[in-house]
Amino acid sequence: GQNIDQPTEMTATEGAIVQINCTYQTSGFNGLFWYQQHAGEAPTFLSYNVLDGLEEKGRFSSFLSRSKGYSYLLLKELQMKDSASYLCAVRDSNYQLIWGAGTKLIIKP
Amino acid sequence: IAGITQAPTSQILAAGRRMTLRCTQDMRHNAMYWYRQDLGLGLRLIHYSNTAGTTGKGEVPDGYSVSRANTDDFPLTLASAVPSQTSVYFCASSDGTSGSFEQFFGPGTRLTVL
Repeated sequence: GQNIDQPTEMTATEGAIVQINCTYQTSGFNGLFWYQQHAGEAPTFLSYNVLDGLEEKGRFSSFLSRSKGYSYLLLKELQMKDSASYLCAVRDSNYQLIWGAGTKLIIKP
Repeated sequence: IAGITQAPTSQILAAGRRMTLRCTQDMRHNAMYWYRQDLGLGLRLIHYSNTAGTTGKGEVPDGYSVSRANTDDFPLTLASAVPSQTSVYFCASSDGTSGSFEQFFGPGTRLTVL
């Protein structure tokens, strides 16, 4: 079967750095996405990785290792507004997104 | 309008009733999707459409139907609602189905079936 694993919840301090991990087992791989979802709102796109390595976009970076079936999202200089759920999704061989359950990130002052 | 709109925002429905959730996008995206999101589970694909006039089944299609008569609209119909269909429903669209084309999501419809 297809499976995306992420930690259920993480806590971090304002101004710090946090790494959210995602491991996947899917039928085929055509890219990995990270989305942010604030409570009661729709998911919004953060990043896309299809090749191994690190993609940096401002305070957010995303890393991919296809051989290990592993990705992480790195958030730097955490702000209170970063409190949200972070969703990992893999596009499979049918070009459909398989979604993880999401990681709820709690930022404390 | 800009982006994707969904209607209604929320709805309480009696079991056995028929219900259509509406979704409209103004970005001229080819692909559209319907997901449901339940606590503790990832988004699950119900149905999708890669282009106007075509539809396909996702991971959890039973009890749901869709149509794609034109590019902009992608309604989701529950023929006879059951309590297990209580969920938050998100419509999404993307300009393509491969590459870096991300999906854009509507604000969601919160549906309760009693």
